[in-house]
This record gives sequence, C-alpha cells and structure tokens, in this order.
Amino acid sequence: DTAVSQTPKYLVTQMGNDKSIKCEQNLGHDTMYWYKQDSKKFLKIMFSYNNKELIINETVPNRFSPKSPDKAHLNLHINSLELGDSAVYFCASSLAGTSTDTQYFGPGTRLTVL
Amino acid sequence: DQQVKQNSPSLSVQEGRISILNCDYTNSMFDYFLWYKKYPAEGPTFLISISSIKDKNEDGRFTVFLNKSAKHLSLHIVPSQPGDSAVYFCAASEMGQGGKLIFGQGTELSVKP
Repeated sequence: DTAVSQTPKYLVTQMGNDKSIKCEQNLGHDTMYWYKQDSKKFLKIMFSYNNKELIINETVPNRFSPKSPDKAHLNLHINSLELGDSAVYFCASSLAGTSTDTQYFGPGTRLTVL
Repeated sequence: DQQVKQNSPSLSVQEGRISILNCDYTNSMFDYFLWYKKYPAEGPTFLISISSIKDKNEDGRFTVFLNKSAKHLSLHIVPSQPGDSAVYFCAASEMGQGGKLIFGQGTELSVKP
C-alpha cells in the first residue's frame, strides 16, 4: 500500500488552463504539505494543512489554492496556468507537523505547461 | 536567499569507499537537520536526522555530523554501495514553524562498482 499517493503522475496542459493535483495519505497523519521542485532542483514548501486547517502559506501566487476535504487529502488547484508553473510538485505528510516529525513524500506530479 | 546550500551538485565514489556529502546553512535558528535520499521519478525518502543539541548521529552505514559554529553538516556513507546512487538533499527546520523544511539543492551521488 502506497503511504502518500498523488494523481496524476504527469500533467501536460496549455497556458491559461485550470488543473488540479490530488494527494492522499493512508498513514493517519494530521499534517500534509505541498512542495514545488523547480528547474534548479530546489524543493520549496508552498502550503501545509493540519487537520484541514491552513498552517503554512508561503509566498505563492493566489492562482494556487490548496483544498483539504479531510485530513487524509490535500489537493492543489491551479488557475490560469503559466509557463513558470512547470515543475514537479510533491505532496508530503507528517504525524503532527512539528519540526522534528519525519515527512513522508509522494512520488511527485510533473506538470508541464505549454 | 538560500538558507541551506549544497555546493557540490555531484559526487562520484568507488564502491566500498566513503562518501561525504556536505551542507551549509545560514539561519542560526535552525534546530533540526535532516537528510533525504531521492531516486529518479520518486519522492524524497527520509534517511537520517540530527538535533542541534548533538554533534553526531549514526544509523548503520550512515552518519551525520553537525558543526554548529561553522553552520555545517555532513553525511558520511561507509562503505558506499551502488544502491546508494541517488540525489541527497539536506534540509533544516526551526521549532515553531509548523514543520516547514528548508531544502538544499541536492547532491547527486554516483557509486561505481
């Protein structure tokens, strides 16, 4: 059983479209995260949710909107996609969202905006 | 402003020898440091961590050393195995920041048979 899963694995779309990436964890964790890995390979945090409550909201364009229907799911919706949004997006989860909790990552979603 | 830096984008080591991966940080408020390992087309997986109150943590073939005065940490892998070939990310966190991890840009380790 996959601990943290993301769908889709690959996403190719045109500029201006709206798309969503889904994330689910079956670890019973309270906290979930979205990270973006850009072309320079840096992994940067975008958002985190603890039990459906937004905790971390980094400087991310408001075209990006996370949605957590329950604590096992954290989806990422992106409006009006731009070329610069092309990246690999990783979902992660941890037990309680403390600084010493191990974060478990999903396999990533490679988004290509044409 | 990159708070965590891995200045070597790649490292090549012979099987059986020691691999040493380095990481520097600038934020003195970081109090927990981690190493993640990443294979192609997979997400990062946790490898080993160290609290700022320690200077060494060992787990099997993997040892992490922390030098707080130099704001430097290193990961030693002894002996290196071909299956260790992957990208290694250093990360740091600060208490009270909701688990926010700041990552370095990774070092690609290649262990040759």
